[in-house]
Amino acid sequence: QLQLQESGPGLVKPSETLSLTCTVSGGSVSSDSFYWGWIRQPPGKGLEWIGSIYFSGSTYYNPSLESRVTISRDTSKNQFSLNLSSVTATDTAVYYCARQWMTANHFDFWGQGTLVTVSS
Amino acid sequence: DIQMTQSPSSVSAFVGDRVTITCRASQGIGSWLAWYQKKPGKAPKLLIYAASSLQSGVPSRFSGSGSGTDFTLTISSLQPEDFATYYCQQANSFPPLTFGPGTKVDIK
Repeated sequence: QLQLQESGPGLVKPSETLSLTCTVSGGSVSSDSFYWGWIRQPPGKGLEWIGSIYFSGSTYYNPSLESRVTISRDTSKNQFSLNLSSVTATDTAVYYCARQWMTANHFDFWGQGTLVTVSS
Repeated sequence: DIQMTQSPSSVSAFVGDRVTITCRASQGIGSWLAWYQKKPGKAPKLLIYAASSLQSGVPSRFSGSGSGTDFTLTISSLQPEDFATYYCQQANSFPPLTFGPGTKVDIK
């Protein structure tokens, strides 16, 4: 059974970089059938897609965040990562990693989510 | 970007009721639409993909329909575990992928 697990600091200072890692087990980030994505949900708000990475390393970002986002993957560790720079309080959210089907672009497996708070 | 809207924003219903949620895309997306169930403190759960395909393991009381710009999620007989917020997601134009604002289903 595929499992995804987010890890990283729960507290980030304003203007710094938020860094999270998603560890995948029971599947491979090198599979050519899937993208691997990041989605977030600010407190009391809806879901926002941040970006996704393909097995080839190609990345796709939400234009609203593109200038601050980098997604990368480490195939040797079966992980993919999110870096979000110059964070502000509006970046406070639960961050999820998820598997995205290449053909239909839906997310079928999700990590449990991790709350990241931006505060000094 | 394709914008997604949902109606109603919230609905109160009894156990056993039939509940229908509507999702509308700002432009045609074919059948490239997914539905998720979200409970507090839990990850979203995929219910429906490609507008009407039931995800494995999801009860058959959930169904989806529609194409183009208008879609519906129907819960045929609401169960206690179905009280949650439901989100649609357009899967046609990428990037970006966009979600609807959500519909909260609570107990009447």
